[in-house]
Amino acid sequence: EAQVTQNPRYLITVTGKKLTVTCSQNMNHEYMSWYRQDPGLGLRQIYYSMNVEVTDKGDVPEGYKVSRKEKRNFPLILESPSPNQTSLYFCASSSPTGMSYEQYFGPGTRLTVT
Amino acid sequence: GDSVTQMEGPVTLSEEAFLTINCTYTATGYPSLFWYVQYPGEGLQLLLKATKADDKGSNKGFEATYRKETTSFHLEKGSVQVSDSAVYFCALSDLGNFNKFYFGSGTKLNVKP
Repeated sequence: EAQVTQNPRYLITVTGKKLTVTCSQNMNHEYMSWYRQDPGLGLRQIYYSMNVEVTDKGDVPEGYKVSRKEKRNFPLILESPSPNQTSLYFCASSSPTGMSYEQYFGPGTRLTVT
Repeated sequence: GDSVTQMEGPVTLSEEAFLTINCTYTATGYPSLFWYVQYPGEGLQLLLKATKADDKGSNKGFEATYRKETTSFHLEKGSVQVSDSAVYFCALSDLGNFNKFYFGSGTKLNVKP
């Protein structure tokens, strides 16, 4: 089954404790992205990757890091989480379809930083 | 820069009512337009898309037409069901930068039996 998986689905942590949210896709997509979803703000892109070892900042990259060492994996790293990073996070991978790219989303990771 | 504006919710309708969720966009290039749906506790799923002006996307009884003259991509359904209750997101991607997706703030739809 084609899918994007994220782990963990729920995480409660404390300020400053480094964490990693994993993302994996089995569709051989070149493009992957991370978003955060906050009430009233929709989804905002954090980072994206066009291929292995190629990443770039989205609209809200501060406080986050990513890496793309393998095509299927795109982990999101919070080296020193703060309460304002409490949010719902989605990973997505993209496939070109005709004139556009369609994004496939993971189930989400709800992060709470206290 | 590119952006998407959609009507605020929540929208509450009775079953079999007509649905319209407004979406307008601003883009410098030639965007593709999308509607995504998010059911409770789940990720976003692509509902429909349109890649050029006057295209109509449709799926599961939902429709939206890409109107370049009014920069709009309104979502419509003739008869909603309780199972359509979800959050709907309008989005665009710029032809010149496929990795940049811009999402609206989402509209929550509640359908009552």
